[in-house]
Amino acid sequence: DVKVTQSSRYLVKRTGEKVFLECVQDMDHENMFWYRQDPGLGLRLIYFSYDVKMKEKGDIPEGYSVSREKKERFSLILESASTNQTSMYLCASSGWSDGYTFGSGTRLTVV
Amino acid sequence: AQRVTQPEKLLSVFKGAPVELKCNYSYSGSPELFWYVQYSRQRLQLLLRHISRESIKGFTADLNKGETSFHLKKPFAQEEDSAMYYCALSGQGGSGGSNYKLTFGKGTLLTVNP
Repeated sequence: DVKVTQSSRYLVKRTGEKVFLECVQDMDHENMFWYRQDPGLGLRLIYFSYDVKMKEKGDIPEGYSVSREKKERFSLILESASTNQTSMYLCASSGWSDGYTFGSGTRLTVV
Repeated sequence: AQRVTQPEKLLSVFKGAPVELKCNYSYSGSPELFWYVQYSRQRLQLLLRHISRESIKGFTADLNKGETSFHLKKPFAQEEDSAMYYCALSGQGGSGGSNYKLTFGKGTLLTVNP
């Protein structure tokens, strides 16, 4: 089974901090994605990457950046955390012919 | 622009009753449609995709291109079906990674009562 591992299950950060969310997949998938999940809003795509060092903006990239230096790792960066970025963050990966596999999520609270 | 609409935020049925979760989409090309499910305290997982035409856990979904719908159905709901269900859409392959991004609906929380 494909495993997508998110480094933290819960995080609490202060407003203005720089926050790193890490995601690692172990099946050599080309595509990786970051979503945020909010009640009543579903999943919204923040950024995605279809190759090392490649990235594309999703639907809500403002306030976020990403890094993909290695194929297996895709990091989401909150440059200056704000309270409206309190959310559940989901990482996913897929191959060209596979469906998505999701990580278990990181619940981030910004205080 | 691609869009997925799930008109019901909440759906409550009794055990043994039929259930239908609605999904409508907007996409200019040939879409690939999916249903994902998230059980309480578990990660989001794929339930079914239209190209495989499988029946998973008794659920089926048919792509209706005329009505741009992909409704999820099960003839007899079980209590263990209680979960959040998301309909999702992507493009069908082609060059470039952007065809592979999934656009999700806002989800329907299904509760199956005993």
